[in-house]
Amino acid sequence: DQQVKQNSPSLSVQEGRISILNCDYTNSMFDYFLWYKKYPAEGPTFLISISSIKDKNEDGRFTVFLNKSAKHLSLHIVPSQPGDSAVYFCAAVSYGQNFVFGPGTRLSVLP
Amino acid sequence: DAGVTQSPTHLIKTRGQQVTLRCSPKSGHDTVSWYQQALGQGPQFIFQYYEEEERQRGNFPDRFSGHQFPNYSSELNVNALLLGDSALYLCASSPRQGAAGELFFGEGSRLTVL
Repeated sequence: DQQVKQNSPSLSVQEGRISILNCDYTNSMFDYFLWYKKYPAEGPTFLISISSIKDKNEDGRFTVFLNKSAKHLSLHIVPSQPGDSAVYFCAAVSYGQNFVFGPGTRLSVLP
Repeated sequence: DAGVTQSPTHLIKTRGQQVTLRCSPKSGHDTVSWYQQALGQGPQFIFQYYEEEERQRGNFPDRFSGHQFPNYSSELNVNALLLGDSALYLCASSPRQGAAGELFFGEGSRLTVL
């Protein structure tokens, strides 16, 4: 039973446009959510996070939105750049517990 | 400041063999977690070590075991390898157990079991 779901295995976006990556979770005990980016032959790198007490967090071109009632979060990348092409993992954690990762979404930003 | 380092980067084993993977955490971090990432899937939690003890464990059989040393480095051991153990094994460190905040990952050890 997947506690963290990313229902889109892949997404293609034109350079300069917005990329929206979605994530759904089932465990209401999760109180912290993160997005990681992974390039081939590299480990995942932290991108942005959000606490359950917030509904939005912004860092440059990256914004994460959290809708607790819907148990849904999304990552917006504006504007998208070819260097953003990677696999994006959504992760969730509750205090003192281990991180739970989604299966990932492969983003391709086309020049 | 060195990040999380893992060795070896790639290795090939045959069924039934045993493997040991190594990890040095990021400077200042004392908690090490191990994840298995199969092809096309997200990282799956194996276990976490803190103060040289296994603190949490995911849904992995006893064939998977680990160790943490006084300098916070860690090893992952897998016995009686199966074909299904072929995966990227990721080590992640964090400043202290249970703290909110991101995990820092190494580049991983890619294990192929033939």
